Amino acid sequence: DQQVKQNSPSLSVQEGRISILNCDYTNSMFDYFLWYKKYPAEGPTFLISISSIKDKNEDGRFTVFLNKSAKHLSLHIVPSQPGDSAVYFCAASPGIGGTSYGKLTFGQGTILTVHP
Amino acid sequence: KAGVTQTPRYLIKTRGQQVTLSCSPISGHRSVSWYQQTPGQGLQFLFEYFSETQRNKGNFPGRFSGRQFSNSRSEMNVSTLELGDSALYLCASSLASGRDTQYFGPGTRLTVL
Repeated sequence: DQQVKQNSPSLSVQEGRISILNCDYTNSMFDYFLWYKKYPAEGPTFLISISSIKDKNEDGRFTVFLNKSAKHLSLHIVPSQPGDSAVYFCAASPGIGGTSYGKLTFGQGTILTVHP
Repeated sequence: KAGVTQTPRYLIKTRGQQVTLSCSPISGHRSVSWYQQTPGQGLQFLFEYFSETQRNKGNFPGRFSGRQFSNSRSEMNVSTLELGDSALYLCASSLASGRDTQYFGPGTRLTVL
């Protein structure tokens, strides 16, 4: 049972345009969400996070939107740059305590390619 | 501040052997989580340690074990290696857990022949 899903395996975008990466989740207990960027043979690099008490969080070119009723989050990258080409993972956590300690549940990832 | 470090970066073993991987967290971070990444299963949680105690464990067989030392450094051990254990093993550290952001190391690429 995949609790976090990234339904688009890949996305291709022109430099300067907006990249929108999507993520859906099924577990209502998730209340903290993160996006990571990953290059092959390297560890994931943290990009941005959002708590369930918010519906938007911005950091420079990166904005994450959370729609709790739809159990959906998205990452917007504006403007997209060739250096953004990587695999993007969304991850979710049920928050503090109990069986949630230190456990992130990841989506399968979306390969973003930004063309010059 | 130095990031999460993992050693070794690459490892080749044969079936039946055992392996120990090491992870040094960011200074001041007390929680260390381990993940396995494979092409088929993606990133999957193995276990988490905090103050030398395992607080959480994923759905992996008992061949996978770990420990944490008083300086927060952590090791994971895989005994009786199987071909399917070939993967990228990642550790991540955070201040305590829960809503603290996890920062990942570069990973150890394990190949089982």
